[in-house]
Amino acid sequence: GQQLNQSPQSMFIQEGEDVSMNCTSSSIFNTWLWYKQDPGEGPVLLIALYKAGELTSNGRLTAQFGITRKDSFLNISASIPSDVGIYFCAGSEYGNKLVFGAGTILRVKS
Amino acid sequence: DAGVTQSPTHLIKTRGQQVTLRCSPKSGHDTVSWYQQALGQGPQFIFQYYEEEERQRGNFPDRFSGHQFPNYSSELNVNALLLGDSALYLCASSLGTGASTNEKLFFGSGTQLSVL
Repeated sequence: GQQLNQSPQSMFIQEGEDVSMNCTSSSIFNTWLWYKQDPGEGPVLLIALYKAGELTSNGRLTAQFGITRKDSFLNISASIPSDVGIYFCAGSEYGNKLVFGAGTILRVKS
Repeated sequence: DAGVTQSPTHLIKTRGQQVTLRCSPKSGHDTVSWYQQALGQGPQFIFQYYEEEERQRGNFPDRFSGHQFPNYSSELNVNALLLGDSALYLCASSLGTGASTNEKLFFGSGTQLSVL
């Protein structure tokens, strides 16, 4: 079945640093999405990408849809303590059947 | 405007029992999807309901079944529970089923199911 490989699995960063995480797939997706999940909550959409090569920003977050449609990355600039959480990439071929990665756990040293 | 609400928030069952989880979609949404999230993993798609019918299904056995009511709320039923069914069950709602609705997919906080 489809699988998304997300890396790194976890990371500690210093407040103010930039963060980068990525996601690769063995399958092509038409949509890539990035979610953040806080403890005890469901995932919340951060950025949605619909076109190969697309680069989209949402505040301090920037994500890109890879040209091959098999990968995506998410960058967070100038990290702050509230960026702590689990970040998931997700791909979709059609409809709302999303395939999720295993997540990147972000911990910030204040 | 209430978002996606799920009940109960926590549930403990024993092996072999049956469980029903409930979801009310965000106001104005007509489509409900269910996901299973095991500890340390990303959510896995179980199935999606639209117009009271199952429209898409993931790789889950028939022990997992669902229902959507005329008011768009939904239930997830799991029969003959196994220890491996212990997970966070997430409901997500959206309007319609097209690819362009992905950005408007809203998740509830989930039901944490523990099977002993």
